Amino acid sequence: QKEVEQDPGPLSVPEGAIVSLNCTYSNSAFQYFMWYRQYSRKGPELLMYTYSSGNKEDGRFTAQVDKSSKYISLFIRDSQPSDSATYLCAMSLYNFNKFYFGSGTKLNVKP
Amino acid sequence: EAGVTQFPSHSVIEKGQTVTLRCDPISGHDNLYWYRRVMGKEIKFLLHFVKESKQDESGMPNNRFLAERTGGTYSTLKVQPAELEDSGVYFCASSHLLGGGELFFGEGSRLTVL
Repeated sequence: QKEVEQDPGPLSVPEGAIVSLNCTYSNSAFQYFMWYRQYSRKGPELLMYTYSSGNKEDGRFTAQVDKSSKYISLFIRDSQPSDSATYLCAMSLYNFNKFYFGSGTKLNVKP
Repeated sequence: EAGVTQFPSHSVIEKGQTVTLRCDPISGHDNLYWYRRVMGKEIKFLLHFVKESKQDESGMPNNRFLAERTGGTYSTLKVQPAELEDSGVYFCASSHLLGGGELFFGEGSRLTVL
């Protein structure tokens, strides 16, 4: 069983739509949860970083963590064509020695 | 401030040859990580340096892979001899010692083994 499961998509939405991206995980010891965005032929860049359960908002982006269900989500409001990219969830134990990534969801926002 | 730089951006070699990938982290970042993504799979951890010390190398596939970080600055990842299954994109990432989950990634080195 993979440590982190993520639907690879692709997910295609019209501009302005609300996008929901999700990951599930199996290791209850994960404490830190990240969302990275990766454009084609580039390295991943950090979007959101949360610790423990709850919500965190940053502009059009909201990250949600439900540790009891081992489920994390990223919501994108008012999606833009520039949001078209692959979104990767990542998780870590308390010591940040190692990060576990989902396989990534490819998002396409159509103008 | 310069980001994480990786060299080469793409390398094509034949099975049995040797390749060395280089990573220059952001200046002042003590944490340096190597990750790899093979076709269709998730990005997987290879190893983690804190300064020049290997903190965790549990992700290294086998002894054909050797990573070094002399002087705690740049790092190299050598694959010798390369096998077909080593093909993929090798990412380097760095962070501050207490940077938590904020990894800064390079653009990756794409390795193709024929």
